[in-house]
Amino acid sequence: DAGITQSPRHKVTETGTPVTLRCHQTENHRYMYWYRQDPGHGLRLIHYSYGVKDTDKGEVSDGYSVSRSKTEDFLLTLESATSSQTSVYFCAIGAGDQPQHFGDGTRLSIL
Amino acid sequence: TQLLEQSPQFLSIQEGENLTVYCNSSSVFSSLQWYRQEPGEGPVLLVTVVTGGEVKKLKRLTFQFGDARKDSSLHITAAQPGDTGLYLCAGTNAGNNRKLIWGLGTSLAVNP
Repeated sequence: DAGITQSPRHKVTETGTPVTLRCHQTENHRYMYWYRQDPGHGLRLIHYSYGVKDTDKGEVSDGYSVSRSKTEDFLLTLESATSSQTSVYFCAIGAGDQPQHFGDGTRLSIL
Repeated sequence: TQLLEQSPQFLSIQEGENLTVYCNSSSVFSSLQWYRQEPGEGPVLLVTVVTGGEVKKLKRLTFQFGDARKDSSLHITAAQPGDTGLYLCAGTNAGNNRKLIWGLGTSLAVNP
């Protein structure tokens, strides 16, 4: 299995609180991605990174920010969580510019 | 907006049966990927097809990319319970490979 770890795996929090999800890889891949998966919508790209400190927005980036200070770590932050951000979040990595390996996801519930 | 439509949405079959699932679009893609996702896990990449008419085989799974690169199919021969899962297709266009266009998936259940 590709070395990609997401933490936490589950989280329940309240509306308005900040939340940070972490993705850690041991593959030294250049590209890292954050997706959310919701029924009826499938997988949607939130943000991606193509190198340390190099990030760009995906199709559903509003309300989310990311940071990548090291090759191996890609953080996703919800500055002020809303109920609409309840979802399953997946991190993915890729040597090229397409995601090849996905983490096992973080199930986030915002009450 | 490019869309990928997958059919059927749900499929329940008996072990040993054959099946085909489809991934269709009105747009042309430069490549198309198939993934399988099991409950509580992330998608796992099965195959990437890039050439119109291309056929790739992965054990009992056969993947085909349409001649016009607008559609793809996945055929499973002699399905087994271990094939159970959500099958997702995702396509990339020539201009923006980082942003895959995803289908909603076919949920397959293979009953022993």
